[in-house]
Amino acid sequence: KAGVTQTPRYLIKTRGQQVTLSCSPISGHRSVSWYQQTPGQGLQFLFEYFSETQRNKGNFPGRFSGRQFSNSRSEMNVSTLELGDSALYLCATRIGGRTGELFFGEGSRLTVL
Amino acid sequence: GESVGLHLPTLSVQEGDNSIINCAYSNSASDYFIWYKQESGKGPQFIIDIRSNMDKRQGQRVTVLLNKTVKHLSLQIAATQPGDSAVYFCAETPDTGRRALTFGSGTRLQVQP
Repeated sequence: KAGVTQTPRYLIKTRGQQVTLSCSPISGHRSVSWYQQTPGQGLQFLFEYFSETQRNKGNFPGRFSGRQFSNSRSEMNVSTLELGDSALYLCATRIGGRTGELFFGEGSRLTVL
Repeated sequence: GESVGLHLPTLSVQEGDNSIINCAYSNSASDYFIWYKQESGKGPQFIIDIRSNMDKRQGQRVTVLLNKTVKHLSLQIAATQPGDSAVYFCAETPDTGRRALTFGSGTRLQVQP
């Protein structure tokens, strides 16, 4: 079956702009989580969505937001981009529930100039 | 806790040797632990998991050991192969209904042919 699909894979933005990243989960997966990966901070949890509701949120400013659609596809948005937002943004999905294997996409690499 | 990955520790082994990758965690409430492998340009891939009511779990060529007393997790890879070269992360989550994973800073495994 198809894996987790993230688009775009690479993008370049300038400070002050905003960006929207998309994640299509594996068929049947209803939970979608987003992580930010940087060399300095490693992998950090942004938020998780399940059945179109945010059920968990990490310690990121309000410039970072997300949503989930009825087909479980998710988007995350970062507004007023800063240089420090340059990172690999990873989407991870699972069927649902408290634990269970997370399947990661290959990420969207954002560069902010 | 946050993960800091400015200087990623590296483990270099010869092909065919066994590898042991270690991870210390700080949250005594953590209940579920996972090891992920991340190859260059890809998202993390699930390797093996273990719950806190176990101290050892084996998979194909991999074994995870959990020592809750000292909050230590290790991943043993038997007969290491060049394809095992990657960055390995441990991740943890507490049994509080919170579903976010906290990732360690990672260890780079280099397998010499």
